[in-house]
Amino acid sequence: GAVVSQHPSWVICKSGTSVKIECRSLDFQATTMFWYRQFPKQSLMLMATSNEGSKATYEQGVEKDKFLINHASLTLSTLTVTSAHPEDSSFYICSARLAGSTEAFFGQGTRLTVV
Amino acid sequence: DQQVKQNSPSLSVQEGRISILNCDYTNSMFDYFLWYKKYPAEGPTFLISISSIKDKNEDGRFTVFLNKSAKHLSLHIVPSQPGDSAVYFCAASYPGNQFYFGTGTSLTVIP
Repeated sequence: GAVVSQHPSWVICKSGTSVKIECRSLDFQATTMFWYRQFPKQSLMLMATSNEGSKATYEQGVEKDKFLINHASLTLSTLTVTSAHPEDSSFYICSARLAGSTEAFFGQGTRLTVV
Repeated sequence: DQQVKQNSPSLSVQEGRISILNCDYTNSMFDYFLWYKKYPAEGPTFLISISSIKDKNEDGRFTVFLNKSAKHLSLHIVPSQPGDSAVYFCAASYPGNQFYFGTGTSLTVIP
């Protein structure tokens, strides 16, 4: 099946620094990628929808200046958490859809810890 | 506002018996539904899906049932195996390809 690779799988950073998370579709082209965030014992919450070559669409309540999303190619989307704070510590997951399909494939997730 | 709900946070089942996980949704615009399985600190893995034009889809030990009038989705696992122990999320998709997830049900299959 289709593979989505997310990197890094975990990262610890100091408060105030920025962290970039990459999401790659390895064997297919993804015109649309999605970024989710999961707090402990809560559901995965959609943060934003990333479309190749255009600006991301953010869900209500998600700060677009804090969570920068770039989808520069059909196989790569990046999420940059800027000026990270401890409350940004969470599990971030990307997913990508096959063109013309409703099925989505998920990356392995990134556990971010801000100290 | 939680549009997809899983009201049972946990479920324990004996090995070999049937596991039934339930999911309710509020928005009649959802046209595609999925179940995902998630182990700790890993991304979710796709299990099974169903579109709104069907009421049942079966794949091996996994069967998903959709009751559109009740806005209710269920996943049946039979027979349950210890390796099935994980958190299961249901998700619903709009025609515009967004997914909304339930809060998950932690399944424990007791050997």
